[in-house]
Amino acid sequence: EDQVTQSPEALRLQEGESSSLNCSYTVSGLRGLFWYRQDPGKGPEFLFTLYSAGEEKEKERLKATLTKKESFLHITAPKPEDSATYLCAVQARNTDKLIFGTGTRLQVFP
Amino acid sequence: ETGVTQTPRHLVMGMTNKKSLKCEQHLGHNAMYWYKQSAKKPLELMFVYNFKEQTENNSVPSRFSPECPNSSHLFLHLHTLQPEDSALYLCASSPQGEGVYGYTFGSGTRLTVV
Repeated sequence: EDQVTQSPEALRLQEGESSSLNCSYTVSGLRGLFWYRQDPGKGPEFLFTLYSAGEEKEKERLKATLTKKESFLHITAPKPEDSATYLCAVQARNTDKLIFGTGTRLQVFP
Repeated sequence: ETGVTQTPRHLVMGMTNKKSLKCEQHLGHNAMYWYKQSAKKPLELMFVYNFKEQTENNSVPSRFSPECPNSSHLFLHLHTLQPEDSALYLCASSPQGEGVYGYTFGSGTRLTVV
């Protein structure tokens, strides 16, 4: 069964304190792995798609990496506006369905 | 207007009421989805429509009834709901065909059943 597990459930950081969020997955042939950001009361907003092990994508203070079993979302020198829930999802071959994890709720304090 | 638009943003309904959620996408996508998001749970896929045809019903109770009149509009008709149905209901759309596509989500409808 395709499955996504995210850790930690919640993360509190001081502004400027870098850290990483983890997304472990099992899937019957990976078509793509997605990272989304969700602010309270809003829908998820697309951040990255990763396709194969070894791939990396960057956007401002965020960098996503992918191995055959997990993905990391690295946050470098975070700011309070990076506070949000970060969701990971996988898409298996021969399907358009996205299977989501429960997310990591990130809080960055000034 | 661009993206995926959901209305209403908030809805409070009694267990005997009938209401509908609306979703509209302006992206030219051919697939549309309903997801349910409850606290501390992963997003749960409810229904999938491809080119207006329902291709997936994820064992959703019959008190939820989807309708997709065309590729740009998706409705979720609600009747005789239970308090545990209170959640954020998200609509999403994606292109179809070759390639890897993520979803574009709407802002959701926060549903409270009293």
